[in-house]
Amino acid sequence: DAGVIQSPRHEVTEMGQEVTLRCKPISGHNSLFWYRQTMMRGLELLIYFNNNVPIDDSGMPEDRFSAKMPNASFSTLKIQPSEPRDSAVYFCASSLGTGLNTEAFFGQGTRLTVV
Amino acid sequence: AQSVTQLDSQVPVFEEAPVELRCNYSSSVSVYLFWYVQYPNQGLQLLLKYLSGSTLVKGINGFEAEFNKSQTSFHLRKPSVHISDTAEYFCAVRRSNDYKLSFGAGTTVTVRA
Repeated sequence: DAGVIQSPRHEVTEMGQEVTLRCKPISGHNSLFWYRQTMMRGLELLIYFNNNVPIDDSGMPEDRFSAKMPNASFSTLKIQPSEPRDSAVYFCASSLGTGLNTEAFFGQGTRLTVV
Repeated sequence: AQSVTQLDSQVPVFEEAPVELRCNYSSSVSVYLFWYVQYPNQGLQLLLKYLSGSTLVKGINGFEAEFNKSQTSFHLRKPSVHISDTAEYFCAVRRSNDYKLSFGAGTTVTVRA
C-alpha cells in the first residue's frame, strides 16, 4: 500500500483565495483525521471522520474551514477565504477503527503558505 | 482531558552517545501512550506504543520507552544514536475509550559526529 497520500505537497496562495487540500487514506481504513502543525501550537486535531461521517469538528478553527469525506477513499479540507495565519503544515492520518491496537498512519503533509 | 508535556524542546547529542527524551502526561482515566518520529519534510511515523502489559516497550530503530504509572511518565531512550536519528520526536496520549491523540510540543534531536 502506498500509505496515506496527500496533495499538493506544497501550496502557496494569496490571502483571500480558496485553498483545497486533498487526502487519500489507506485502503480499508475507516477513520480519518486532519491535523494542523504550527510552531506556535504544535499538532492540533482539526476534524475526525469515522465511516465517512464527521464525528468531531471541534478543532476546526473558524467557519472559513470546512472538510468533507464524500467516500471512503477521499477527503478534502477547504479554507475559504485563506489568511496568512492559516500558514501551516496540514496532515491527514487514517486508521482502522479506534480500537485497542489502532495505529494512526500519517501522510507527508501539505505545507501551506498564505501570503 | 489529557495533556502531554515534553520537557526538552532541543536535545543535541553526539553520535554513538545515549539519548533520553522525557515525556509526562496527565489524565484522569487510563491511557495509551505513543512516540512518533518526524524526519525533515516528512509525516509522522510510529516508533512505539504502550497499550498494556510490560512497562518496557521496544520499538523500531533501537528505541525503547518505559511506562511509569506512578510518575505518569513515558520516557524514550536509545543507547547509541546515529546521525540518521536527527529528527523531531513527539509523545502522544490517547484515552483508552477515545479516538483523539493529544501530542506534546515535540523534542528536536540533533545528532552530531
